[in-house]
Amino acid sequence: DIQMTQSPSSLSASVGDRVTITCRASQSVRNYLNWFQQKPGKAPKLLIYLASSLQGGVPSRFSGSGSGTDFTLTISSLQPEDFATYYCQQSYNTPPTFGQGTKLEIK
Amino acid sequence: EVQLVESGGGLVQPGGSLRLSCAASGFIFSNYWMSWVRQAPGKGLEWVANVEQDVSKNHYVDSVKGRFTISRDNAKNSLYLQMTSLRAEDTALYYCARVRTDISARDFWGQGTLVTVSS
Repeated sequence: DIQMTQSPSSLSASVGDRVTITCRASQSVRNYLNWFQQKPGKAPKLLIYLASSLQGGVPSRFSGSGSGTDFTLTISSLQPEDFATYYCQQSYNTPPTFGQGTKLEIK
Repeated sequence: EVQLVESGGGLVQPGGSLRLSCAASGFIFSNYWMSWVRQAPGKGLEWVANVEQDVSKNHYVDSVKGRFTISRDNAKNSLYLQMTSLRAEDTALYYCARVRTDISARDFWGQGTLVTVSS
């Protein structure tokens, strides 16, 4: 199975900050990398697919980059509604595997 | 509007069985792969199973192979997960999710149904 490792595991930031979350795969997943946002008590929401494509309805302050084994999710200017947990997930092969999550908290 | 509504969760003893359902609406259900993904309390996300449009083609995480069966009824727009020989480590919130194979992503998720395995 492909292991997905996110860093950091938690992050404190302020409204307006630029934030970057990193995801590393244990082997190449090409560009088959998705990012999800999950708020407490809610289902995950797809933000980015195929490493850099923005899902419909997702604000443009979210962006993704990378290929192979190293990927990043960037939020250009944090908004109050962005405080949540973020997960990366590879869809290159079965089983699809998730990172452990990055909890983004208000400073 | 795409909607996925799970049901069937509850408290079950170790070794017991449970059948989860997911009612889909707002899209042509038979055109999509579907998934179950679970989340243990306070933990991360774990993919459990996929079923392709053809109900005979499915895939499972190793930890549930031989115990769980994913199925679908395209006429009823419904997804199922039959769970047997349940263990404490199966305790989780179980989500059903639609799979977009063109973008290799689970693009819509239900709100989940909670399964608790405990004596």
